[in-house]
Amino acid sequence: AQSVTQPDIHITVSEGASLELRCNYSYGATPYLFWYVQSPGQGLQLLLKYFSGDTLVQGIKGFEAEFKRSQSSFNLRKPSVHWSDAAEYFCAVGAPVNTGTASKLTFGTGTRLQVTL
Amino acid sequence: SQTIHQWPATLVQPVGSPLSLECTVEGTSNPNLYWYRQAAGRGLQLLFYSIGIDQISSEVPQNLSASRPQDRQFILSSKKLLLSDSGFYLCAWSVQRGGSTDTQYFGPGTRLTVL
Repeated sequence: AQSVTQPDIHITVSEGASLELRCNYSYGATPYLFWYVQSPGQGLQLLLKYFSGDTLVQGIKGFEAEFKRSQSSFNLRKPSVHWSDAAEYFCAVGAPVNTGTASKLTFGTGTRLQVTL
Repeated sequence: SQTIHQWPATLVQPVGSPLSLECTVEGTSNPNLYWYRQAAGRGLQLLFYSIGIDQISSEVPQNLSASRPQDRQFILSSKKLLLSDSGFYLCAWSVQRGGSTDTQYFGPGTRLTVL
């Protein structure tokens, strides 16, 4: 069964500083990997996803993530954080499914990002 | 473009009362639909998913049920709410496509408080 670990429950960074949020997954084959962001009281918004190909994936809002198979990681990065990036971030892993079934994602427990001015 | 709606946005219900949360998707046909619950300070727990009308799979035995009376409508229900049913309920949809895992797109959520 697949699993996701986000080891940092809470991270605080200063505005303008760089950011890296960690995600480690467990899955027997090449995984499908996602990062979502959730603002308080809101639904989840997709930041980026990795299915195959280039291991460095660009997303919205200036975020990127790098798939490292040898480390079973898919860390999210941003070179310069803005105050509006304060939110909760979720990493998720999925597996390929057959036609007529639903793809199910396994989510990490999330990392809450606080940005100080 | 596709949009997903959930209502109500917030709900406060007494213990033992019934529940009905609705989710609808626009702009796509025959989507996979999902219900998740997010308890305070915790991740997302998949409750139900559906690949078609009246085709519902339950992930976790609980006090809740789901129905899909129309292609783009997904309903989460309970006959008698428990305190432990409080949480943030999220509906999501994805394209049906075998051989891959498709991106799930989430609705705005419903905040349920059971008192």
